[in-house]
Amino acid sequence: AQKVTQAQTEISVVEKEDVTLDCVYETRDTTYYLFWYKQPPSGELVFLIRRNSFDEQNEISGRYSWNFQKSTSSFNFTITASQVVDSAVYFCALRTRNTGNQFYFGTGTSLTVIP
Amino acid sequence: DVKVTQSSRYLVKRTGEKVFLECVQDMDHENMFWYRQDPGLGLRLIYFSYDVKMKEKGDIPEGYSVSREKKERFSLILESASTNQTSMYLCASSSQGQGAQETQYFGPGTRLLVL
Repeated sequence: AQKVTQAQTEISVVEKEDVTLDCVYETRDTTYYLFWYKQPPSGELVFLIRRNSFDEQNEISGRYSWNFQKSTSSFNFTITASQVVDSAVYFCALRTRNTGNQFYFGTGTSLTVIP
Repeated sequence: DVKVTQSSRYLVKRTGEKVFLECVQDMDHENMFWYRQDPGLGLRLIYFSYDVKMKEKGDIPEGYSVSREKKERFSLILESASTNQTSMYLCASSSQGQGAQETQYFGPGTRLLVL
């Protein structure tokens, strides 16, 4: 079975602090893809990143970075020097080659950045 | 840019009414999806479609039906709305392209209130 766990329901940080959002996944498939989405108050989920199971290289995009570790089945997301505009709900998702079109989403982490 | 649009941002309906939620994408994507989002439960897949006139049940299809008569349009139908269908409904689309690695792109969501 496939499963994504985001244990942090809500996080609050003060502006300019760094924050890490945790994502733990479960799958027996050897080929899979992990995704992060951002959902601002407007409601639309915005795609942030996709990683495949064969590429454990960490990725940095501006203030965002992602740490993929197969040994711990984790795909954590760090925002450096947080800003008020980062306030949103963040979802981690999993899709595997053997599950066809279906995505498995975590329950989301609500991040509030306090000015 | 991928564009997924949903016919309404907010809807208020009465119990027993038939409700149509419309979704249109402009990227010629083969796959389209309907999710509902509820606090603490994340996104749950209702139905998806991988081709015109084709549909597959997701995790929570009860009380819903779908229609895909044209490639760009995917409709979600609540045959007889009930109060427990009050929720945020999100439409998404993706290319068949390279299978599991294809990203899903989301519309802005429809907040449905059933009284």
